[in-house]
Amino acid sequence: AAGVIQSPRHLIKEKRETATLKCYPIPRHDTVYWYQQGPGQDPQFLISFYEKMQSDKGSIPDRFSAQQFSDYHSELNMSSLELGDSALYFCASSRGGQGYEQYFGPGTRLTVT
Amino acid sequence: DQQVKQNSPSLSVQEGRISILNCDYTNSMFDYFLWYKKYPAEGPTFLISISSIKDKNEDGRFTVFLNKSAKHLSLHIVPSQPGDSAVYFCAALVGGADGLTFGKGTHLIIQP
Repeated sequence: AAGVIQSPRHLIKEKRETATLKCYPIPRHDTVYWYQQGPGQDPQFLISFYEKMQSDKGSIPDRFSAQQFSDYHSELNMSSLELGDSALYFCASSRGGQGYEQYFGPGTRLTVT
Repeated sequence: DQQVKQNSPSLSVQEGRISILNCDYTNSMFDYFLWYKKYPAEGPTFLISISSIKDKNEDGRFTVFLNKSAKHLSLHIVPSQPGDSAVYFCAALVGGADGLTFGKGTHLIIQP
């Protein structure tokens, strides 16, 4: 079965640079969620989109923005990167916009040097 | 403040026996609970879920029990298999919200 696709899988950036992470949900899933998992931490919810509209917002820094496109893929844009942004970024998708049974992608490991 | 707590960082169980993973929560607004399994370098894989209106949900070898009065849930895996060795995350959802709140995970090790 098709799964959530995230690209790139690994990304190395320097402080103050920008980064864009991409997420392609499971076919027919209309809701996308972004999570950040720091070293030794549990995943923290950042933001979600349902039918291309922002649905819910968690602990997403103001330096980050995201959107969902007409084909339901989503991009997380991160600017003025800081060392503390180094983490695994997971995207999840679901059907119906209710947050239940979210299916996760493999993650993008971002390293900020 | 950790709203979802998995107090056992690791658990070792013999192959063929029952594995019981526990999870406690503090937020009474949670109304949906999920268990995820995670291998290194992969994203969490959805295993099983339960609504707060139920006290048990079963799917094959996996059963989740919910005790609302105690704010406690558990995942039972029987029989345990070597492929079950992974980190298991308990997660909870407030009704109407999107973001899952995760526990810190329990590393399950199945010994032959």
